[in-house]
Amino acid sequence: DQQVKQNSPSLSVQEGRISILNCDYTNSMFDYFLWYKKYPAEGPTFLISISSIKDKNEDGRFTVFLNKSAKHLSLHIVPSQPGDSAVYFCAADAGGTSYGKLTFGQGTILTVHP
Amino acid sequence: GAGVSQTPSNKVTEKGKYVELRCDPISGHTALYWYRQSLGQGPEFLIYFQGTGAADDSGLPNDRFFAVRPEGSVSTLKIQRTERGDSAVYLCASSSRGGKGSPLHFGNGTRLTVT
Repeated sequence: DQQVKQNSPSLSVQEGRISILNCDYTNSMFDYFLWYKKYPAEGPTFLISISSIKDKNEDGRFTVFLNKSAKHLSLHIVPSQPGDSAVYFCAADAGGTSYGKLTFGQGTILTVHP
Repeated sequence: GAGVSQTPSNKVTEKGKYVELRCDPISGHTALYWYRQSLGQGPEFLIYFQGTGAADDSGLPNDRFFAVRPEGSVSTLKIQRTERGDSAVYLCASSSRGGKGSPLHFGNGTRLTVT
């Protein structure tokens, strides 16, 4: 069963506009969430994270929102740039003694057009 | 500084053969992870090392898969009697201590193709 889901396989936006990537999860034990970005032939790169005790975390152009009651999180990129074009993965950590044991979504391909 | 290094970048092997995949983590990182990414999917956890010991190997799919980290630095993922379903990108990651505030740094992966 897919405990972390990214239901949009792809997203296309114009440069300068907002990109919103969505992620849903089912496991109530998840208490830490991360977004990773991946370019072709490279490994995923950490972008931003949020703890379940918060509902928002911001870092420059990137903001992650968490809605625990809906088991939903989103990544906002404002303004979007062509260099943001990549695959974005949502990931969740259930904690315990195995930090870093992440459950990933399937990814969303973001294309930002000049 | 140097990131996580994985070798080889590509490996083609015949069904039934044995393969070893190597990971050089970032210097000083005590936590090391192996993940596997199949086409169209996100990475899936395989095993986690803290130092030399495997703290969590619950993601290894079966006993054909084994990983070691004898000196707490370089790790090797070993796959015996490879099957076509083992074809995937194998990703290694390291972090400074393995805690939630310590994000994973991934290598570029080894693409394994079993023919």
